[in-house]
Amino acid sequence: NAGVTQTPKFRILKIGQSMTLQCTQDMNHNYMYWYRQDPGMGLKLIYYSVGAGITDKGEVPNGYNVSRSTTEDFPLRLELAAPSQTSVYFCASSYSVHGTGFGYTFGSGTRLTVV
Amino acid sequence: KQEVTQIPAALSVPEGENLVLNCSFTDSAIYNLQWFRQDPGKGLTSLLLIQSSQREQTSGRLNASLDKSSGRSTLYIAASQPGDSATYLCAVTGVDSGGSNYKLTFGKGTLLTVNP
Repeated sequence: NAGVTQTPKFRILKIGQSMTLQCTQDMNHNYMYWYRQDPGMGLKLIYYSVGAGITDKGEVPNGYNVSRSTTEDFPLRLELAAPSQTSVYFCASSYSVHGTGFGYTFGSGTRLTVV
Repeated sequence: KQEVTQIPAALSVPEGENLVLNCSFTDSAIYNLQWFRQDPGKGLTSLLLIQSSQREQTSGRLNASLDKSSGRSTLYIAASQPGDSATYLCAVTGVDSGGSNYKLTFGKGTLLTVNP
């Protein structure tokens, strides 16, 4: 099925460990995004990309890095995990910039716990 | 700074009832408004997208309206079913405080429970 695929679905990290959250879309969308969702809070934008080779910071980029080598893939890297990064992470894509034309498609999320 | 508020935070209704979820936003300079559904432990499913020039959108038992000038949107669900139980999120696309970048701002959601 066409859409946004995220892996893994769940992960437990120890403080100081690193990991990469994977995100792939097969809709040929140029625009891709990473959000985090904390309990009782709205989704916050971490990073976004407007095309292969181009990325930019969102509201809460500290502690994260991204890359965009292909149109399909947009991995999110945590270098030194901290308890504050315990959250649910969502990857999304859109046909037009920030969903202005046709809205967004979201992945099913990665639930990350840092202990 | 754009702020999106959803009222009520939680709603419990008996099956078959018609219901309305509310969303308000502080900055009326938006490009579109999108309603999402989120099931527990799942991702977000797009329900309806309303462009800033539109007044409403319909999909099956769902109808979303937009009054941009007053900063309000409603999601109407007709003949509710237990399968409608989920969290409903409203999000608007606007421009950030610097005026140069688009930004999607989410509300905190309304948790809907439809009881059989």
